[in-house]
Amino acid sequence: RKEVEQDPGPFNVPEGATVAFNCTYSNSASQSFFWYRQDCRKEPKLLMSVYSSGNEDGRFTAQLNRASQYISLLIRDSKLSDSATYLCVVNSFGNAGNMLTFGGGTRLMVKP
Amino acid sequence: DAGVTQSPTHLIKTRGQQVTLRCSPKSGHDTVSWYQQALGQGPQFIFQYYEEEERQRGNFPDRFSGHQFPNYSSELNVNALLLGDSALYLCASSFRAGGSYNEQFFGPGTRLTVL
Repeated sequence: RKEVEQDPGPFNVPEGATVAFNCTYSNSASQSFFWYRQDCRKEPKLLMSVYSSGNEDGRFTAQLNRASQYISLLIRDSKLSDSATYLCVVNSFGNAGNMLTFGGGTRLMVKP
Repeated sequence: DAGVTQSPTHLIKTRGQQVTLRCSPKSGHDTVSWYQQALGQGPQFIFQYYEEEERQRGNFPDRFSGHQFPNYSSELNVNALLLGDSALYLCASSFRAGGSYNEQFFGPGTRLTVL
């Protein structure tokens, strides 16, 4: 079983739609959580952090459920520019460093 | 302020060869992490360097090694290349403050093709 699992999609949605992505993680010792966005053939970029209390940034809302080891991302009023791959990321701290564990990504395509 | 830079951008090698990839962190950052991203997959953590030492390592064989220099830049070396090493290699930099771990910023990556 992968440490971080996501539905690979693609999710094909029309402009203006609301779309939700889910992610599960297996390491209960994981300590912080993120959504990254990756455009085709580009590097990942931080979209937002994820907190148990919920985190909203404009049209984007992220939520963490530690008990269920579940992370979600909601995008409202989708734009063409939202088309990208969304990576669910878990940050774990070791004895002397930290590491990001990525899911396989969920591909979103927003159509006119 | 330059972000994370990596060189070269593309590289083609043959099986059995060795390769060195380079990374310069964002200004003010002291920690460098390396990731491998195969086509269609998410990045996988290789290792992390801080104060010129490997601090954390992912599930990669000893063929993968690295180095960090006093100016915080870093190299990733891969020996005895296999076809399966073909991937995008991403470098990410961050800084440590009081033992806490901060956001990692990624470079554009080096695309390695092994023939």
